[in-house]
Amino acid sequence: DTEVTQTPKHLVMGMTNKKSLKCEQHMGHRAMYWYKQKAKKPPELMFVYSYEKLSINESVPSRFSPECPNSSLLNLHLHALQPEDSALYLCASSQDPGGAPQDTQYFGPGTRLTVL
Amino acid sequence: AQTVTQSQPEMSVQEAETVTLSCTYDTSENNYYLFWYKQPPSRQMILVIRQEAYKQQNATENRFSVNFQKAAKSFSLKISDSQLGDTAMYFCAFMKPGSARQLTFGSGTQLTVLP
Repeated sequence: DTEVTQTPKHLVMGMTNKKSLKCEQHMGHRAMYWYKQKAKKPPELMFVYSYEKLSINESVPSRFSPECPNSSLLNLHLHALQPEDSALYLCASSQDPGGAPQDTQYFGPGTRLTVL
Repeated sequence: AQTVTQSQPEMSVQEAETVTLSCTYDTSENNYYLFWYKQPPSRQMILVIRQEAYKQQNATENRFSVNFQKAAKSFSLKISDSQLGDTAMYFCAFMKPGSARQLTFGSGTQLTVLP
């Protein structure tokens, strides 16, 4: 089973709202990722969690706040977003961030975010 | 830094025909991994095929196969017996082994399979 789930599928929010995106995997993976994807563009890495610790923050604005409550769950808290933050937000997970020879990232279906 | 280039923004193929998507990359690493992901209109990124650079044998997954030329830094994807469900954006991606496990994506090729 290589399933990564994401909720909600769609989210519309105003610039003053606070909302959260949720990602879950039950594959025992120890690395989890948030990506942002604009239409017809490749995904852009935002954050990487390795063994529940934030290991990479790709200079993401503080209005995006990641959280990894446990090894299966990854959240992305959103606050005071701008219209240009509208995009598809993808979550991914991989087995071993430390050097497994066949590590592969498996993606969830994404959350389509619209900021009004 | 690694770069991945997909020089074909759009391609089309007739159903049941064969199509090849090209990908080149630039790296100074000797050990790395290469991937092809597809993203259909449903938008989920799906792993198509994976290649380890230390393996000389080209990876194959059913109708999908790669032509991996390490010296030329080329990693093309061949889709045989194309099906309507193969219509998608295809991304080539590079990953360097290490703690970061960061993927570097190409710009993508939009493939349309015509009935």
